Amino acid sequence: QKEVEQNSGPLSVPEGAIASLNCTYSDRGSQSFFWYRQYSGKSPELIMSIYSNGDKEDGRFTAQLNKASQYVSLLIRDSQPSDSATYLCAVNLILTGGGNKLTFGTGTQLKVEL
Amino acid sequence: DGGITQSPKYLFRKEGQNVTLSCEQNLNHDAMYWYRQDPGQGLRLIYYSQIVNDFQKGDIAEGYSVSREKKESFPLTVTSAQKNPTAFYLCASTGWAGGWSNQPQHFGDGTRLSIL
Repeated sequence: QKEVEQNSGPLSVPEGAIASLNCTYSDRGSQSFFWYRQYSGKSPELIMSIYSNGDKEDGRFTAQLNKASQYVSLLIRDSQPSDSATYLCAVNLILTGGGNKLTFGTGTQLKVEL
Repeated sequence: DGGITQSPKYLFRKEGQNVTLSCEQNLNHDAMYWYRQDPGQGLRLIYYSQIVNDFQKGDIAEGYSVSREKKESFPLTVTSAQKNPTAFYLCASTGWAGGWSNQPQHFGDGTRLSIL
């Protein structure tokens, strides 16, 4: 089982719709969770961080975390063509001996169609 | 502006040659990281450093080396022992708080390495 799993897509949604991106993780000790957006040929850009169960909203983006189900999701409301990118889920685990490890999923490609 | 600067943007390596990728940050971050990304794949950790003069191997360290002589700088050398070096290399940094961090990592613009 992969440590962080995402559906690779592509996920196609019409402009103005809600895009729902999902991520599951294997380690129950994971402490913090991040969503990055990566345009083709560019580096990842942080768009959301979430640390506790529930929803966190920032503009058109909402991150949802359910630690019991080991599930984190990203909702994008009013999707725009400029949202077309690959979205990477990253999970942070605090290591027993000190330090931490950030593990990335392989990403979900989102396409917002006119 | 504060940020992470990677250079060069594109790099070509000949067979049997070592090449060094530069990463500099002015964010006063303690921890720095190197990742490799292959097409259609996620980021894989090569090396990381939590403090000056100390670094640890990540998941795919074979064929790579690093140094951390200054807080601001974390160069990566791709040695001739790395047989498949063609990839997108990303440097990241984050603040550190007493041995661990739950803060996000921020990335440079990357270096694209190809074999001649």
